[in-house]
This record gives sequence, structure tokens and C-alpha cells, in this order.
Amino acid sequence: QKEVEQDPGPLSVPEGAIVSLNCTYSNSAFQYFMWYRQYSRKGPELLMYTYSSGNKEDGRFTAQVDKSSKYISLFIRDSQPSDSATYLCAMSARIIQGAQKLVFGQGTRLTINP
Amino acid sequence: DAGITQSPRHKVTETGTPVTLRCHQTENHRYMYWYRQDPGHGLRLIHYSYGVKDTDKGEVSDGYSVSRSKTEDFLLTLESATSSQTSVYFCAISESKQVTYGYTFGSGTRLTVV
Repeated sequence: QKEVEQDPGPLSVPEGAIVSLNCTYSNSAFQYFMWYRQYSRKGPELLMYTYSSGNKEDGRFTAQVDKSSKYISLFIRDSQPSDSATYLCAMSARIIQGAQKLVFGQGTRLTINP
Repeated sequence: DAGITQSPRHKVTETGTPVTLRCHQTENHRYMYWYRQDPGHGLRLIHYSYGVKDTDKGEVSDGYSVSRSKTEDFLLTLESATSSQTSVYFCAISESKQVTYGYTFGSGTRLTVV
């Protein structure tokens, strides 16, 4: 069983819709929870990160973490065609010498249709 | 991607040949990572480095070795390439022991083993 599970989609919605992306995880030791956005043929880029349970908002994006259920979500309001990308959840775990590794979900491919 | 470059961007190689991918950073970050990205698996950690000449294995390290003789360069070597190593390889850097600022990823190397 994978430590992090994410529905790969693809997900296609009309412009202006609210998008909900979700991940579940099994490792209680995960400390930070992140969302990355990856455009085609590019490297992932950090979109948002959270540490504690609850919500964190940044413009049209809201990240939600529920540690008791081991469930995280990303909501996109007023979705735009430029939001079309693959969204990856990621969670951090401690490794040697204070470094932390990121464990990624499979990524959800999102298309926003004009 | 500012501060991190990967080379080559594309490579086709034959089964059984050694291949070396290079990651170069200009950010003077301590931590560097190699990930591979495959459909259905997301990003998986191959090896990481926590300083010059300090490296360790990730979850999918078999068939790969790494070296870091300078802060700015992290090399990934496929000892004897196999078709299962056809993938997109990403290098990432991080600036501190915590991941609150996330990783910065390179643009990737698309490797095809024929």
C-alpha cells in the first residue's frame, strides 16, 4: 500500500467551477503537507504548504488538512484555464541529518475548459 | 527554473550502457535530491545528499549511484541502463532542514532506454 494515495483523474471542469482535489495518507509521522502544481514538460512548483490541521487560504486556493482522518484537500475557486495542470500532493518525513524527504501522491491531471 | 539546471534535457540510450545525469545549482543549498516520475507512481526518491560527499539511498535506488564532490553539483549515474529506467528524472534542492519553503525542482531530464 502506498503511503500517499491520490486519484489520478483526469478531471475536467468548466471555467469558473470550484475544484476539489484530495489525498489520503497512512504515515502519522508526516509533518508538512504541500501541494505542487506541474505544467506539462516542467518541474513541479510549490503552490501551498500547511503544518497543522485546519484551513489555509491563498487567493483562489485553499488547502485543508485533517490529521485525524489523514486526509488533505486543495480547493480552487473560480477556476481558470491557466489552472490546467497536474496537481501533486506531497508530505514530508524526516530522514538523516535533519533532511526531510517529500513523499508524493500520483498527481491529478486537471483541465479547465473555457 | 532559476538556480537549478539539469543536463541533458533529453537522452536516448541503449540497454546496458552507463548514463550520467547532471544537476547544477547556484543557490548554495545544502540538500539535493534525485526523483523519478512515472505514470501511476508520481515522484519517487532515488537518492539524496545532505552535504558534499554525504549521500544516502531513497526508496528506488537499485541500479543508481550518485556523487557530490562540490556543493553545486549532484550527479546521478545509471550503472547499466535498463528499459525500466526509462523515465523523467527531476533534481530538487532545498535550503534548510525544514521543508516549509518546499523544494525547488529542475526542469527534468527525459531519458529513454531502448
